[in-house]
Amino acid sequence: GESVGLHLPTLSVQEGDNSIINCAYSNSASDYFIWYKQESGKGPQFIIDIRSNMDKRQGQRVTVLLNKTVKHLSLQIAATQPGDSAVYFCAEGYERTSYDKVIFGPGTSLSVIP
Amino acid sequence: GAVVSQHPSWVICKSGTSVKIECRSLDFQATTMFWYRQFPKQSLMLMATSNEGSKATYEQGVEKDKFLINHASLTLSTLTVTSAHPEDSSFYICSATYSYEQFFGPGTRLTVL
Repeated sequence: GESVGLHLPTLSVQEGDNSIINCAYSNSASDYFIWYKQESGKGPQFIIDIRSNMDKRQGQRVTVLLNKTVKHLSLQIAATQPGDSAVYFCAEGYERTSYDKVIFGPGTSLSVIP
Repeated sequence: GAVVSQHPSWVICKSGTSVKIECRSLDFQATTMFWYRQFPKQSLMLMATSNEGSKATYEQGVEKDKFLINHASLTLSTLTVTSAHPEDSSFYICSATYSYEQFFGPGTRLTVL
């Protein structure tokens, strides 16, 4: 099966600080990129996505930056809260005729210190 | 919003037995569903794409005879792990496509003794 990497780096941040989670990808053919949040024992939750022809997109407390030159994606979370503690995955999206295919990246475990 | 459910949420079985996991789209019809497997502290690995009314498309390295997928209706896809062994113990997650967006189920924890 496909997967982009198999390790799980960790990031610890103080409550109220900003968090930056990084992701490197290898396939230039991706149509879009998605960030997911996964809490322990649950399925992934959509956070935000960005088309491959964009370099920045903002949501509520989150910003995604895309640098296609170096194939790098980042998720910035403003004013990190304890409820943000989870594993965050970047994923690459590929558009097909009737569905989209999503391939997950390695993930980062975010731990928020109260 | 679009909701995907899975049943069971967890299952324990003996080595050599088969286990069926259901994935349902509760409030929408899904012509395409996906099955992922996730080992502890690892990422989700796409196993197969399930298409309603046709054969599933398996990712490279995934044994189609071991992981049987049936997408018999627009709201239900099933994954059967045949002759399960301890190395098949994992978290299995499905997703369904609605309006080109994927919605994920809560996952099924399979433990093979």
